[in-house]
Amino acid sequence: QVQLVESGGGVVQPGRSLRLSCAASGFIFTDYGMHWVRQAPGKGLEWVAIISYDGSQKHYADPVKGRFSISRDDSKNTVSLEMNSLRPDDTAVYYCAGSWSYYLDYWGQGTLVTVSS
Amino acid sequence: IQLTQSPSFLSASVGDRVIITCRASQDINSYLAWFQQRPGKAPELLISAASTLQKGVPLRFSGSRSGTEFTLTISSLQPEDSATYYCQQSKSYPLTFGGGTKVET
Repeated sequence: QVQLVESGGGVVQPGRSLRLSCAASGFIFTDYGMHWVRQAPGKGLEWVAIISYDGSQKHYADPVKGRFSISRDDSKNTVSLEMNSLRPDDTAVYYCAGSWSYYLDYWGQGTLVTVSS
Repeated sequence: IQLTQSPSFLSASVGDRVIITCRASQDINSYLAWFQQRPGKAPELLISAASTLQKGVPLRFSGSRSGTEFTLTISSLQPEDSATYYCQQSKSYPLTFGGGTKVET
């Protein structure tokens, strides 16, 4: 069955960096665009970034543009999110999700990132 | 593109018909999805392309579109439908979500 498993979350000081990873299985990874979506504690969903199925296109939400970078490794069926210059308002559960066309079909269970001194 | 969901909270009884509305700030055609998120869980895709029910989703869920206004209808509310529901547009980047509607039974 489809599985998306995020890792790499934790507590980090403001201004530092963190790298999240998401391991995919149960579907043809190279057919899917991969996203990161976050949810601050008690808040709604916020889309963060996408990398296209072939890695040729990347898009970011304005709050993370220039600080976050999404990448994929098709040999390992993984997608990563490199997060730099972290701020307290980046504190959230980060979900990875896969989309075959326009919609986020599959979601992982999320990994919590806490930015605090 | 902004998505305005209403209401933000809804309390209803088992068997009630529930309607959640999502209004887009501009034309998004039918590039709209609905998600259900139960407490402590990841969101799940219920409906894509405004009205296409995903495999395995109960038939009491339905979606419709009228211009830039979209609705999610639960025809007969069940206890397991207690959750927060989000709309999301895929017309253009950045993708955006509505603010969510918490449904309580």
